[in-house]
Amino acid sequence: TQLLEQSPQFLSIQEGENLTVYCNSSSVFSSLQWYRQEPGEGPVLLVTVVTGGEVKKLKRLTFQFGDARKDSSLHITAAQPGDTGLYLCAGARGANNLFFGTGTRLTVIP
Amino acid sequence: NAGVTQTPKFQVLKTGQSMTLQCAQDMNHEYMSWYRQDPGMGLRLIHYSVGAGITDQGEVPNGYNVSRSTTEDFPLRLLSAAPSQTSVYFCASSPPQGSYYGYTFGSGTRLTVV
Repeated sequence: TQLLEQSPQFLSIQEGENLTVYCNSSSVFSSLQWYRQEPGEGPVLLVTVVTGGEVKKLKRLTFQFGDARKDSSLHITAAQPGDTGLYLCAGARGANNLFFGTGTRLTVIP
Repeated sequence: NAGVTQTPKFQVLKTGQSMTLQCAQDMNHEYMSWYRQDPGMGLRLIHYSVGAGITDQGEVPNGYNVSRSTTEDFPLRLLSAAPSQTSVYFCASSPPQGSYYGYTFGSGTRLTVV
């Protein structure tokens, strides 16, 4: 049983469109991280959210941590081909226990 | 700035063979871990270490051994490879409280067991 479920699993959109990716769980996490992974490479950290209800912005990317600290969302505005990749959420339970979601594979078509 | 270095990049093993996946980091991070990534399964924790001389099991430890003799190195050993161990393996490191500050990952080792 996967602790963190991400949706959608696959997403293909045109350049300039907006999109939202969801990361859901029935468990409470002390923090939640988002990573992006490109083919042949390891995941790269985008952001960490710690407080319930917290919103962080990274240029065109907006991350939100649910009030109950069980879920998170990633919203991309005006997607660009450079946003293409596998987006992974990861929930922390304690200082060194990080559980990863199943991932959302995003393709942005020029 | 090398970060986390994994070797080899690719490896093909026959069932029953043994091998060691190497991982080294130059950031003086105390915490290091090994994950495997399989389609539709996300990243699953194999073993982790909170410092030299200290290791512990993660979610899927069976068939793998680790040791941590130095802060820099955290090798992963497969004693008798099985086809179920075909996967992409990632090593990660972080300072203490890595769950809050984020992990730095290596570029992975793609292992095929035939």
